[in-house]
Amino acid sequence: AQSVSQHNHHVILSEAASLELGCNYSYGGTVNLFWYVQYPGQHLQLLLKYFSGDPLVKGIKGFEAEFIKSKFSFNLRKPSVQWSDTAEYFCAVNSKNTGFQKLVFGTGTRLLVSP
Amino acid sequence: NAGVTQTPKFQVLKTGQSMTLQCAQDMNHNSMYWYRQDPGMGLRLIYYSASEGTTDKGEVPNGYNVSRLNKREFSLRLESAAPSQTSVYFCASSGKTGVNTEAFFGQGTRLTVV
Repeated sequence: AQSVSQHNHHVILSEAASLELGCNYSYGGTVNLFWYVQYPGQHLQLLLKYFSGDPLVKGIKGFEAEFIKSKFSFNLRKPSVQWSDTAEYFCAVNSKNTGFQKLVFGTGTRLLVSP
Repeated sequence: NAGVTQTPKFQVLKTGQSMTLQCAQDMNHNSMYWYRQDPGMGLRLIYYSASEGTTDKGEVPNGYNVSRLNKREFSLRLESAAPSQTSVYFCASSGKTGVNTEAFFGQGTRLTVV
């Protein structure tokens, strides 16, 4: 079965620090990859997605992620975080196989950015 | 454009009570989902509907039932609520099977069972 691992459960950074959140998945086939963000009290919003092509994906608000197929990883990065980036971040995966494919989420990483 | 709309936003139930969470999407999506979110456990899939007329169990279906009323609406029912069902529930929808598409989420329902 597919699974997604996010190894950092809580991250605390100061403003302007660089961010990297890890995401690894286990699945043998080809996949679609996503990062969602949940700001306090709000619903999940898509940050960025990878379907195919350039493995370096740029999303909203200066975030980017790199798909490394050999490592089954899709790490999220931001060069300089802001206080407004305080949120919970979820990595998610689904298969490209034919037929209905469920979206599987990691357990999330809670980021706190101090001003 | 409303996207995915869930009602209610908050609910408190007594153990044993029943209730239905409503979800509607206006994006003409085929697939709809119900997730629950618990601290440290991420989002876990309760039930999903790949297309109108079909529903299937996800990871944690026990204690829940669903109805795909039509293409737009997918409801989640708790027949006899238990404290273990205290959680935040999210409905989501996504486009056609086989097409690369992301899931869109509703605002969530915070349910407390006492």
